[in-house]
Amino acid sequence: GQQLNQSPQSMFIQEGEDVSMNCTSSSIFNTWLWYKQDPGEGPVLLIALYKAGELTSNGRLTAQFGITRKDSFLNISASIPSDVGIYFCAGQLRYSGAGSYQLTFGKGTKLSVIP
Amino acid sequence: NAGVTQTPKFRVLKTGQSMTLLCAQDMNHEYMYWYRQDPGMGLRLIHYSVGEGTTAKGEVPDGYNVSRLKKQNFLLGLESAAPSQTSVYFCASRAGSLNYGYTFGSGTRLTVV
Repeated sequence: GQQLNQSPQSMFIQEGEDVSMNCTSSSIFNTWLWYKQDPGEGPVLLIALYKAGELTSNGRLTAQFGITRKDSFLNISASIPSDVGIYFCAGQLRYSGAGSYQLTFGKGTKLSVIP
Repeated sequence: NAGVTQTPKFRVLKTGQSMTLLCAQDMNHEYMYWYRQDPGMGLRLIHYSVGEGTTAKGEVPDGYNVSRLKKQNFLLGLESAAPSQTSVYFCASRAGSLNYGYTFGSGTRLTVV
């Protein structure tokens, strides 16, 4: 099956710093999604990207769909303590054979923000 | 607007016991999924359903069974729990159209001793 390589696995940053994380794949995806998981909760969708080259922002978050359709990155500007959590990338094929449009998830980037 | 509700939130089982995890969604979504999350492993798909009365195996289906008798509910069963099934289980749902992300429940933390 498809695999997503997400990096870094964890990050410790000072409040106010910018953060960057990325995902790469050996497969081509038609959709890239970025989720955040707060401790004790389920992942929540942050940004969805639908076209190669697309750059989308959501407040202090910016994500891009790589031109090759095999990668995506997420940037967080001016980090704050509530940015703490695990960030997951996910790629979606248009059709995965079973009609399920399954998501393939990266293993996550654990972000810690030092006040 | 409840979204996706999982019950129970926590459970401790003894090896060999059985249990059922319930997932309920009120968004009229066609697709539903069960994932398990383990440290350093990300989210791994156990089983999924593309509609009422249908189920299919995901990446790690062994030791689990599922049923989707009603569109809004997706049940995950463990017939004989093993310590390797200690994990956090997440249910998710999505609408049938393309280009929509999943909505996740808040998880069930299961410990098998």
